[in-house]
Formats: sequence, C-alpha cells, structure tokens
Amino acid sequence: SAVISQKPSRDICQRGTSLTIQCQVDSQVTMMFWYRQQPGQSLTLIATANQGSEATYESGFVIDKFPISRPNLTFSTLTVSNMSPEDSSIYLCSVALPNYGTEAFFGQGTRLTVV
Amino acid sequence: GESVGLHLPTLSVQEGDNSIINCAYSNSASDYFIWYKQESGKGPQFIIDIRSNMDKRQGQRVTVLLNKTVKHLSLQIAATQPGDSAVYFCAENMAGYQKVTFGTGTKLQVIP
Repeated sequence: SAVISQKPSRDICQRGTSLTIQCQVDSQVTMMFWYRQQPGQSLTLIATANQGSEATYESGFVIDKFPISRPNLTFSTLTVSNMSPEDSSIYLCSVALPNYGTEAFFGQGTRLTVV
Repeated sequence: GESVGLHLPTLSVQEGDNSIINCAYSNSASDYFIWYKQESGKGPQFIIDIRSNMDKRQGQRVTVLLNKTVKHLSLQIAATQPGDSAVYFCAENMAGYQKVTFGTGTKLQVIP
C-alpha cells in the first residue's frame, strides 16, 4: 500500500492570500491526483500531476488558481491562490499503485478555511 | 457531464442488521465501479470494486451488486458494526486510466 502525508492538516487563511499544500508519498508513483471536497460534498478532481510535465486540469479548474508542482516521483504541491471563502474545502491528494487495480490511496486531507 | 450519484443522503441502521447503500450512475462506458469509505477527518479508503462485466462481487462482510440495465450499484454490509459508521461513496473509472470519478456520498449511522 501507500502512505501519504499531507501538510498542513488544517489552516485558517485570510482572503486574498495563497496557501501551498504539500503531499509526500512513501513510494515512487507516476501520477498524483488532487481533489477538492467541499463541506458535506463528494470529491471533485482538480488536476492530475505527472512528474516532468505540466499538470492536467479538469473542467472548471485553472492553473492560475491552483498551480501544481511535481518535482519528483514522491512529492507534489498544490497552491490555492488568491483565496476567497468559496475555497474553504478539504483538499486531498491521491495516488494509485501498480498491482493494486482500481484502489486509490488518499492522504488525510488539508482542511482549509478562508475568512 | 456524466456523473455518478446516490439516492439516499443518510442511512440509519441498527447494529447487527444489514445495510444497503445505493448509487445510480450515468456513464455506461465505465469499466469499474468502486466503493469507498470515508471516516471523519480521514481520506477515503477503498472497500471493493466490481468490473462492468460482472453483476456481483463479495468481499469480507460486503457485497457489491451491479445492475447495468438500470445503471444501479449497491453496497451491502452484513452485520453492521459501529465501526462501519462513515460516509460511503460510489465511484467509477475507465480501464487504463487511474483517474477516479466520485459520486455523492451516503452517511451511514449505526445505532448501538
């Protein structure tokens, strides 16, 4: 399996500022995924991060708002830029491993509150 | 766009009874349907999946049923325990793609 660590686990931020969330995996993975989970809602994929190339963003999400870095095969960051209260959500990173079929592994999430 | 969604937002079950959580999906092209469990303050955890060419799959205390005719997916939990209390999500993906699309969740409350 995979152990995924996210930092910070939670934060309260002022509107207009930016927050960078870190995701560290204990094994090398090709793709890492960033999800947003708004209060009481399901998970929505923001983007897929591949090492050595630009992230692929889903409809409704743009690089200027959610820049992603993927410097190596075990680490990624997601920045939430120019935050507004609507960005208050849980942000989760996820990976899939070879030989684990459809099973995706998730970090514990970063609970962001924008005030 | 195509999506996966659930009928019931909350479900209360007596401890020891069986639970049935339902899900409707719209993307007939999905190759796999998956159930995840999310406990409070944690990320989702894989429970079981079923390939689109199957109609039933059993795991430990869980059974997933797939009805492609009506595009319906269900998760049955036998002898529900307090530790089963969580939000359950159905999800789907396409073979060869690691991206997972999540449906809306059902909160399962187990009454001791």
